Amino acid sequence: RKEVEQDPGPFNVPEGATVAFNCTYSNSASQSFFWYRQDCRKEPKLLMSVYSSGNEDGRFTAQLNRASQYISLLIRDSKLSDSATYLCAVREGFQKLVFGTGTRLLVSP
Amino acid sequence: DAGVTQSPTHLIKTRGQQVTLRCSPKSGHDTVSWYQQALGQGPHFIFQYYEEEERQRGNFPDRFSGHQFPNYSSELNVNALLLGDSALYLCASSLEKSEQYFGPGTRLTVT
Repeated sequence: RKEVEQDPGPFNVPEGATVAFNCTYSNSASQSFFWYRQDCRKEPKLLMSVYSSGNEDGRFTAQLNRASQYISLLIRDSKLSDSATYLCAVREGFQKLVFGTGTRLLVSP
Repeated sequence: DAGVTQSPTHLIKTRGQQVTLRCSPKSGHDTVSWYQQALGQGPHFIFQYYEEEERQRGNFPDRFSGHQFPNYSSELNVNALLLGDSALYLCASSLEKSEQYFGPGTRLTVT
């Protein structure tokens, strides 16, 4: 089993739609979780950290489910500019981030 | 406030050669991590430097080595390049145990 798994997609959604991605992780001792956004041929940009209580930043909501070992990202009111690859990452040890392969999102007019 | 910078942006090398990539962390950050991202994959952790020492290492061979300087900048060296080393090499900086911020990366092509 991979350490961090994501559905590669692509998820094709119309503008204004709500879309959700899940990411499962194998290490039950993991404590820190993140969502990054990566545009084509660019570096990953931190979208949000994922806290135990869940957190929201505008149209984006992240949740952590420790019992089932997954994190989720919900995007409301999708914009064309949300089209990108969304990477989930789990921190292990001091600062090692283990990434999933990413989920590709395509938002169409 | 300058973010993470990396040089060069692109590099083409021949199999068997050696390469050095450079990274300057975000102002105020003291920890540098290096990642390799092949096409269609997520980044893979190579190693991390803190206080000029390698603190954690991923599953990469000894051909991959690094260094951190007193000003926190860092280098990644790869010896005896293989075709499979072609990838985007990303540097991320952070304060200890805080979020990591990535530089624009160096795209290495090995022919």
